[in-house]
Amino acid sequence: QVQLVESGGGVVQPGRSLRLSCAASGFIFSNYGMHWVRQAPGKGPEWVAFIWSDATDYVDSVKGRFTISRDNFKNTLYLQMNSLRAEDTAVYYCARGPTGRLDVWGQGTTVTVSS
Amino acid sequence: EIVLTQSPGTLSLSPGERATLSCRASQSVSSSYLAWYQQKPGQAPRLLIYGASSRATGIPDRFSGSGSGTDFTLTISRLEPEDFAVYYCQQFGSSPPWTFGQGTNVEI
Repeated sequence: QVQLVESGGGVVQPGRSLRLSCAASGFIFSNYGMHWVRQAPGKGPEWVAFIWSDATDYVDSVKGRFTISRDNFKNTLYLQMNSLRAEDTAVYYCARGPTGRLDVWGQGTTVTVSS
Repeated sequence: EIVLTQSPGTLSLSPGERATLSCRASQSVSSSYLAWYQQKPGQAPRLLIYGASSRATGIPDRFSGSGSGTDFTLTISRLEPEDFAVYYCQQFGSSPPWTFGQGTNVEI
């Protein structure tokens, strides 16, 4: 069945880096735009980044620090997070994004930025 | 950036009652690009409605969406026990960021 599985979360000190991965299965990965969405504790979801073919977009708060990428041969989405801040602490979800919606979500991976 | 404001913040209802949730945008959003999600504690959001009024795969017909321009509504015709959750709207306007509303908590 269609599935997304995130990994790579953990506890990291401010200023350090982390790379998240999202393994996709059950659909033709290369045919879809893909997103990262995060949710801070007790807050609503926040859209973070998007990739479709060679095009990428980011929310302003992560521009210059985060990089979204994909490997269509490995059916995997990535989020490289550098210069992490306390406010980046959240559950990070990858999601499949046909036009105008996020129709499949992973279970999420938790990132905690703390000294 | 398009800001989505959801109301009410909390809706206290009983099973069998009708729930009406509002999502208001700070500028016009194409109906094709307004979605609703349901989230239960400890779970990822689940797509309910896209294109303002189209139900996602497997979503019961007690869920319906409507609206255009800056005002959108999610209606749950008869609440089932499993419908008590937080609901978010999201817009996919002409350019990012593709923002979410702050959510409506539907509680018993």
